[in-house]
Amino acid sequence: SQTIHQWPATLVQPVGSPLSLECTVEGTSNPNLYWYRQAAGRGLQLLFYSVGIGQISSEVPQNLSASRPQDRQFILSSKKLLLSDSGFYLCAWTPGSGNTIYFGEGSWLTVV
Amino acid sequence: GESVGLHLPTLSVQEGDNSIINCAYSNSASDYFIWYKQESGKGPQFIIDIRSNMDKRQGQRVTVLLNKTVKHLSLQIAATQPGDSAVYFCAEGTYKYIFGTGTRLKVLA
Repeated sequence: SQTIHQWPATLVQPVGSPLSLECTVEGTSNPNLYWYRQAAGRGLQLLFYSVGIGQISSEVPQNLSASRPQDRQFILSSKKLLLSDSGFYLCAWTPGSGNTIYFGEGSWLTVV
Repeated sequence: GESVGLHLPTLSVQEGDNSIINCAYSNSASDYFIWYKQESGKGPQFIIDIRSNMDKRQGQRVTVLLNKTVKHLSLQIAATQPGDSAVYFCAEGTYKYIFGTGTRLKVLA
């Protein structure tokens, strides 16, 4: 069966520090991968999606970036965090277009 | 641009009653729709989906209705239980998935 893992689960980072959130999917190949952000009590905002290695589409211009160095690995990064980057970050995957999207456990980021 | 939104931000339902959560979407070309349930501090969990060639789909205690004419989607939960308390999101997508802001369902004992 397929599983998705993301880490760390929680982190507190100072303003201006770098960020790296990692996500891996097991039990499948060539998945579509996604990063979403959810502010407290709000909906899910699509940040990045990827349909293949090295292929990244950005939905929201900001100081975040994403990379897909391997087929089942998706990384969300920032060189310098802002207070507004605080939120709940969710990695997700689908086996292909027009299929159910499955979410990871989420990562709580607090920028102080 | 594309958008998916919900009519009611909070819905309170008596335990045992049926719940109906509504959703509107704007992209008439959308052909795949999903409902998710999110409990506090967790990632969204898949509930049920429907494709645009269907009007209705039933699962265990849940039914999704799709009205393409008015671009409306609804989730019906039968015999609502305390464990159904959560935030519910609708989403539409093909290669990328757009979510609404969510409806909080509160089940009253």
